[in-house]
Amino acid sequence: QQQVKQSPQSLIVQKGGISIINCAYENTAFDYFPWYQQFPGKGPALLIAIRPDVSEKKEGRFTISFNKSAKQFSLHIMDSQPGDSATYFCAASWDTGGGNKLTFGTGTQLKVEL
Amino acid sequence: NAGVTQTPKFRVLKTGQSMTLLCAQDMNHEYMYWYRQDPGMGLRLIHYSVGEGTTAKGEVPDGYNVSRLKKQNFLLGLESAAPSQTSVYFCASSYPIGRGIYNSPLHFGNGTRLTVT
Repeated sequence: QQQVKQSPQSLIVQKGGISIINCAYENTAFDYFPWYQQFPGKGPALLIAIRPDVSEKKEGRFTISFNKSAKQFSLHIMDSQPGDSATYFCAASWDTGGGNKLTFGTGTQLKVEL
Repeated sequence: NAGVTQTPKFRVLKTGQSMTLLCAQDMNHEYMYWYRQDPGMGLRLIHYSVGEGTTAKGEVPDGYNVSRLKKQNFLLGLESAAPSQTSVYFCASSYPIGRGIYNSPLHFGNGTRLTVT
């Protein structure tokens, strides 16, 4: 049972372009939505996160857009660079009182071409 | 600081063999987790621990056991390995989170690539 659906599975963007990755969730109890970035041979690392009380969060070239009514959120990478080539995972969690248990999407492999 | 260290980095097992994956963190984190990563399936939680001496099941716990005897270590055991357990295993740790506290990211190790033949 996949609670967080992520698309596309892979994405190729030209340098300087905008990369957009989308996620949708079903569990309305989710109240924390992070994005993780993973380079080959490494573990995922937190990139940016948002709570549902705001519709957008921006950190540098990375922006999360959040649509609570549609139960969707997306990652936008502006001015994409070859160094952004990585796998991106969206995730969601809620406070169950025991552990920060994230439910991850299936990942998007981004390649930024020169 | 080394962060989260996983050993070994690679391992090949034959069906039915057993092994233990070791995770160590030096950030004094209360919470620790074991995830497996498979192509097209993202990361799935196997077991987790909210403190020394405590463990709990995650999404895909069958075939695995864990122990958290020391705060800094979290062990994942496979008693009788099966080909379906071929995967990349990630350990992670974090500070506790509670209502209103959301800025506690998971810190991941670099993974153990396990192949079961």
